Amino acid sequence: SQQGEEDPQALSIQEGENATMNCSYKTSINNLQWYRQNSGRGLVHLILIRSNEREKHSGRLRVTLDTSKKSSSLLITASRAADTASYFCATDGAGGTSYGKLTFGQGTILTVHP
Amino acid sequence: GAGVSQSPSNKVTEKGKDVELRCDPISGHTALYWYRQSLGQGLEFLIYFQGNSAPDKSGLPSDRFSAERTGGSVSTLTIQRTQQEDSAVYLCASSLRGEQTQYFGPGTRLLVL
Repeated sequence: SQQGEEDPQALSIQEGENATMNCSYKTSINNLQWYRQNSGRGLVHLILIRSNEREKHSGRLRVTLDTSKKSSSLLITASRAADTASYFCATDGAGGTSYGKLTFGQGTILTVHP
Repeated sequence: GAGVSQSPSNKVTEKGKDVELRCDPISGHTALYWYRQSLGQGLEFLIYFQGNSAPDKSGLPSDRFSAERTGGSVSTLTIQRTQQEDSAVYLCASSLRGEQTQYFGPGTRLLVL
């Protein structure tokens, strides 16, 4: 079963605009990661934020984490057509365990129009 | 190797047949994971191997599913007596011991007719 939910389920924007995706989860975590998937195939790791961090940046990506609300957001700035993909949040450490069994959200399908 | 590889890329089988899916992790990665992605259930954890420790099989959906990892490297996921609901993309990932980031293979798309 899924750890949490992502919102929106689908997002359609124009190139150059920012895209924001949200993720909620249910249990305590050690960290939260965001992955990207193209065409229903392999996932690519984007960024990891630990439970004691509130914000993290990597290039055009900005991730926030609010453990009190059990939620995270992924912001992609100045989007490009090549950013079109599905984006998933994944939590590690549900129930206090520390190994890498990931529990994924449902994903957000992002479409960036040129 | 350069990345995680999986074979076959696609597999079509008939209901009731057994299938074997293979995963070659990144060289030196001690942790290996199998996940399943289907339309109805999203991405689900199946099984996790870490070094020589006993695998965590808590995500396997039934006793028709099994997996092994030989020599701490290559892993095979076996589905016996396949059912139509087994149709999904099966993803393998690996990671270094103690590292949280997982590196995924391209997946095997299984279709059970």
